[in-house]
Amino acid sequence: RKEVEQDPGPFNVPEGATVAFNCTYSNSASQSFFWYRQDCRKEPKLLMSVYSSGNEDGRFTAQLNRASQYISLLIRDSKLSDSATYLCVVKASSGSARQLTFGSGTQLTVLP
Amino acid sequence: NAGVMQNPRHLVRRRGQEARLRCSPVKGHSHVYWYRQLPEEGLKFMVYLQKENIIDESGMPKERFSAEFPKEGPSILRIQQVVRGDSAAYFCASSTGADWAEAFFGQGTRLTVV
Repeated sequence: RKEVEQDPGPFNVPEGATVAFNCTYSNSASQSFFWYRQDCRKEPKLLMSVYSSGNEDGRFTAQLNRASQYISLLIRDSKLSDSATYLCVVKASSGSARQLTFGSGTQLTVLP
Repeated sequence: NAGVMQNPRHLVRRRGQEARLRCSPVKGHSHVYWYRQLPEEGLKFMVYLQKENIIDESGMPKERFSAEFPKEGPSILRIQQVVRGDSAAYFCASSTGADWAEAFFGQGTRLTVV
């Protein structure tokens, strides 16, 4: 089983739609959680951190369920510029090692 | 982007040559991660370093690959005797190392082995 699993998609949605991505992680010692986005042939960029209480940044809402080891990202009112690959990232502490583990990503295409 | 600098951006090497990839972290960041991304695939962890120490190299191939992060200067990922299968984008990220801290990525080095 992969440490971080995501539905690879692709998700093709019309402009203005609401879309949700899910992510599960296997390491119960995971401490920190993030969503990154990666545009084609570019570096990953931090979209938002994910907090236990859930958090919102504009059109983006992230949720964390530690009991189920599940993270979600909701995008409302999708824009063409939201088209990208969304990466779920988990940070676990193992002794002195705090490795970032990436999911394979979910591809989103927002259509005009 | 918080200023992670990678160079070169593009590197072409013939089979059997050495590739040397450099990463200068964000000022004040003492933790560096290297990732490899093959075409159409996700990011794969290679190595995690702090200044002068390799913390986790569980993702590094056992042969030909090495990494360092000296007290002074950039982190270096070195690939000896490159083969076609080493062609990929190599991304470096840096962090303060705190549990909650996010990592910021450089623009990557695209290695092509011909």
